[in-house]
Amino acid sequence: QLQLQESGPGLVKPSETLSLTCTVSGGSISSSSYYWGWIRQPPGKGLEWIGSIYYSGSTYYNPSLKSRVTISVDTSKNQFSLKLSSVTAADTAVYYCASIVVVAEYFQHWGQGTLVTVSS
Amino acid sequence: AIRMTQSPSSFSASTGDRVTITCRASQGISSYLAWYQQKPGKAPKLLIYAASTLQSGVPSRFSGSGSGTDFTLTISCLQSEDFATYYCQQYYSYPPFTFGPGTKVDIK
Repeated sequence: QLQLQESGPGLVKPSETLSLTCTVSGGSISSSSYYWGWIRQPPGKGLEWIGSIYYSGSTYYNPSLKSRVTISVDTSKNQFSLKLSSVTAADTAVYYCASIVVVAEYFQHWGQGTLVTVSS
Repeated sequence: AIRMTQSPSSFSASTGDRVTITCRASQGISSYLAWYQQKPGKAPKLLIYAASTLQSGVPSRFSGSGSGTDFTLTISCLQSEDFATYYCQQYYSYPPFTFGPGTKVDIK
């Protein structure tokens, strides 16, 4: 059973870059069965997909965030990472990483989530 | 982007009730729809994919139906552990994947 765990700073200053890492266990990030993705949820609000990556490094992003988002993968560490630049208070959210079933594209396994607050 | 709507946004129900939640897509998405359950402070959990296929380990009281633009999630006999918020998600056309705004089911 795949398990995912987010890690990174819980507080980021406005205009800086938010950086999070997701560590995958119980399976290989190089599996041909999955993409890997990031989803966020502002406090008390709904879910927003940020972007996804395949182990080969191919990515696709939410157009609303594309100019600020970079997702990368490190197969040697079984990890993938999110960078979101020029953050504002509107980027305060719980950030989840998830596995995405290839071809089917639904989010099968989720990390527990990590709250990132943007504040000076 | 395909816009997803859900109704109702929230409602109260009792254990044992049969409940139905509706999800509508702004354009046809065939059966490329998933349903998730989220409890407070927890990550979403996949319940159903391909509109009607139950994820492994999910109780059979959950069922999904629909295709095109209109979908439903039904809980045949509501249990105490089912009080949660439910989200639909389309994966027909992306980027972006889009979620519905959620339906909160609480205790009457």
